[in-house]
Formats: sequence, C-alpha cells, structure tokens
Amino acid sequence: AQKVTQAQTEISVVEKEDVTLDCVYETRDTTYYLFWYKQPPSGELVFLIRRNSFDEQNEISGRYSWNFQKSTSSFNFTITASQVVDSAVYFCALYILTQGGSEKLVFGKGTKLTVNP
Amino acid sequence: DAGITQSPRHKVTETGTPVTLRCHQTENHRYMYWYRQDPGHGLRLIHYSYGVKDTDKGEVSDGYSVSRSKTEDFLLTLESATSSQTSVYFCAISEEKGALNTEAFFGQGTRLTVV
Repeated sequence: AQKVTQAQTEISVVEKEDVTLDCVYETRDTTYYLFWYKQPPSGELVFLIRRNSFDEQNEISGRYSWNFQKSTSSFNFTITASQVVDSAVYFCALYILTQGGSEKLVFGKGTKLTVNP
Repeated sequence: DAGITQSPRHKVTETGTPVTLRCHQTENHRYMYWYRQDPGHGLRLIHYSYGVKDTDKGEVSDGYSVSRSKTEDFLLTLESATSSQTSVYFCAISEEKGALNTEAFFGQGTRLTVV
C-alpha cells in the first residue's frame, strides 16, 4: 500500500529560524514522484516541487531546499531564514502509476507551520 | 497558472438534498481527481478519472458519484447530502508526459456546508 507520513502536525518557529518539515513515504513501486504543496490561510493549494524516484539530487530554490533520500524513503523540506509569509500548511504527496495503468496522488496529513515575528 | 475552475466556490445545502460540484479544465489533461480536505485528515481521494467515461473509486467514495462525459469536465455528485460531507473539496488534474515528467495541479477548492 502507498502511504505518506508527515509526523509533525504543527511547528512553530520565530522568524529567521531554519525549519525542516519531514516526509516519509511508502511504496513498492520503483517509479514514482514526490510533491510538496503549500496551502496558505487563503486555502488554495500551491505546487512547490516535484521529484521523480530516479533523481536523488537535492534541490534548492531560494530559501527552500529539499532532501530526497531513497534509503530512508524520505523527502524532507527545509525553509531557511523563515518568514511570516511562510506560515501555511504544507503537504507532501506521493504519485504512483498503478499496474492497471491508472495513477494516484496520495497525500500526507500536512504540517501546519507558524512563523512568528 | 493551470486552467482549472471549480464551481461553485461556496455552497450551503440541506441534509438529504442532491449536490453537484463541477470541475472544468482547459489543459486537456487526461487525469482528473476529486479530493476532500478535513482537519486532521489532510486530503483524501474520493474518485478519479483516467479518461472520458473512465472513473474509479478512491479511499472515501461512499456517498459520492462522479461522471466524466467530456475531457474538460469532471462532476462530483452527492446524491443525498449528509452533515459528514461538510468539507472543502478540491479538484486536481494531471497528465503523464513521458516517463519522467508529471505535473499535478489543483483547483481553488469548493467549501460545502451541509446543514
């Protein structure tokens, strides 16, 4: 079965602190994709990053960075020098293509990040 | 931004009434999904479609039906709404582009309240 676990339900930090959001996934598929989405208080879901299972290279985008490790089935997300605007719920998701040819996107329960001034 | 539109954006309905939510896309993506988002549960898949008239159940499909008569439209119907179906509903679309490039986009969400 496919599953995504975000063990941190809520995190609270002070502005300018670094914060890491954990994501652990389970799948038997060899080809899959991992996503991170941000959901700000306004409610929309904002795509942040997609990573495929064949590419373990870490990625950095401004203050955001992602650490993908297949050995531990983890795809962690780090925000450097956090800002109040980073306050949101962050979702990690696993995308798979099933043997029957259909696809699914499975989400973790989300981590609510609050960045205090 | 991906071309996904959900309608209505907000709806209040009474228990026992039928409700239909619409998801419309202009991206010509093959796959469409309906999720519900509830506190403590994250997003859970209700139904998805992998082509016109091709649909399948997700993990929380009871009480919901879907239809996809055109590539661009995916309808979610609550035949007889219950208070447990009060939630925020998200539509998503995706298209597998080759083996190594897949994108998934979400609509703005529909807040449904069943009273």
